[in-house]
Amino acid sequence: DAMVIQNPRYQVTQFGKPVTLSCSQTLNHNVMYWYQQKSSQAPKLLFHYYDKDFNNEADTPDNFQSRRPNTSFCFLDIRSPGLGDAAMYLCATSSTWGGPDQPQHFGDGTRLSIL
Amino acid sequence: QKEVEQDPGPLSVPEGAIVSLNCTYSNSAFQYFMWYRQYSRKGPELLMYTYSSGNKEDGRFTAQVDKSSKYISLFIRDSQPSDSATYLCAMSGSNDYKLSFGAGTTVTVRA
Repeated sequence: DAMVIQNPRYQVTQFGKPVTLSCSQTLNHNVMYWYQQKSSQAPKLLFHYYDKDFNNEADTPDNFQSRRPNTSFCFLDIRSPGLGDAAMYLCATSSTWGGPDQPQHFGDGTRLSIL
Repeated sequence: QKEVEQDPGPLSVPEGAIVSLNCTYSNSAFQYFMWYRQYSRKGPELLMYTYSSGNKEDGRFTAQVDKSSKYISLFIRDSQPSDSATYLCAMSGSNDYKLSFGAGTTVTVRA
């Protein structure tokens, strides 16, 4: 089945130690998104790629970076994780954008813990 | 004030009951109104959507949008234990990539 796969499902890192989360998709979608979801809060869009074009949300901290080396893969890099970065990170894809006719397909997330 | 407000619950109902969920919003530019279902330790999945105002029915699920009141609802009839999940509302403008989510309502259907 075509899907969005996130690895690892659970990640533990130390305060200040860089960490990379990965996302792959077999849907061949143009758009890939990264969301941060803290407990009992709405998913918060961090950034997205339309093909190779990177779009950062205005309030995304500089500590968060992303790479998309090809259509299938996208990475989220957290350069110096702080305790406040502990959250579920969701990757999503869509064929293009514009309404739910092009719905976003989500992976199952990576739960990040900071020691 | 948050752009989208959703009562987090939790909501616990007996099997067969009607579940009523709702969201309010402040941005009058929103045109698409979606409901996502998120099972524990899973990503959100699109359940159904409505464009502009009106009702939409899909099996046991009914979505309603009242743009004049900036209020949307989701009803689940004949609820089943398998409906136990967190339900997130989400909205966007026309041709807008960005979804604005509610915080989600956690629903438990007791067998």
